[in-house]
Amino acid sequence: DVKVTQSSRYLVKRTGEKVFLECVQDMDHENMFWYRQDPGLGLRLIYFSYDVKMKEKGDIPEGYSVSREKKERFSLILESASTNQTSMYLCASSVDPYEQYFGPGTRLTVT
Amino acid sequence: AQSVTQLDSQVPVFEEAPVELRCNYSSSVSVYLFWYVQYPNQGLQLLLKYLSGSTLVESINGFEAEFNKSQTSFHLRKPSVHISDTAEYFCAVRATGNQFYFGTGTSLTVIP
Repeated sequence: DVKVTQSSRYLVKRTGEKVFLECVQDMDHENMFWYRQDPGLGLRLIYFSYDVKMKEKGDIPEGYSVSREKKERFSLILESASTNQTSMYLCASSVDPYEQYFGPGTRLTVT
Repeated sequence: AQSVTQLDSQVPVFEEAPVELRCNYSSSVSVYLFWYVQYPNQGLQLLLKYLSGSTLVESINGFEAEFNKSQTSFHLRKPSVHISDTAEYFCAVRATGNQFYFGTGTSLTVIP
C-alpha cells in the first residue's frame, strides 16, 4: 500500500512565524502536491512538483514556498504565517496518469 | 484549465435509500476521472476511477459511476446507502499535464 505521511496532524502557530509542513511518500512517485482545504471551497492547489528540485505554482501560491530535495519528501513553507492561512493542508503523491494518494492532513491554526 | 462542478453541496438521504451525487467537468478532451471520499478528520481516499474502457466503473463498497462524454459528467450512485457512507465526496479530473482539478465537494449525510 502506498503511504503518504505528514509531519503533524495539528499545529498551532503565531502570526509572523515561519512554518514548515513536511510530507513523505514511500512509493517512489514522481509527482507530489500540496493543497489547502477550506469549507465550501474544496481543495485548492498551492504547489506541485514532478521531479526533484522541480516545482510548479498551483492556483494559490502566494505566501507559500516549497522544497523538494529528495524524491520522497516535499515540504511546504509558510514564510510568515498569517491568520488567513489557518486551514487544513493536504499532501498527495501520484505516478502518471493515475490517481493521487493523500496523507491524513495537517490542521494548521495561526493565532 | 479544467473546472469541476459539484452542484449539490449537501445531500441528506435516509438509510437504505438510493443516492446520486452529481459531477460535471468543463472539457470534452481526453480526461481521467476520479471520485474520492473523505471521512471526518482524515485525508482523501480513492473511491473509484475512470481511465479508459468501460464507461461504468464500480467500487468495492457498492458505489458506481458512469462516464458520459457527451454530457461531460461522471455522476456517483449507490442503490442503497448505509450510515457508514456519511462523508464528504469529491469529484476530480485529470487532463493533460500533471494537475488534478477538484470539485468543491458534496457532504452526504445518511439519516437512520
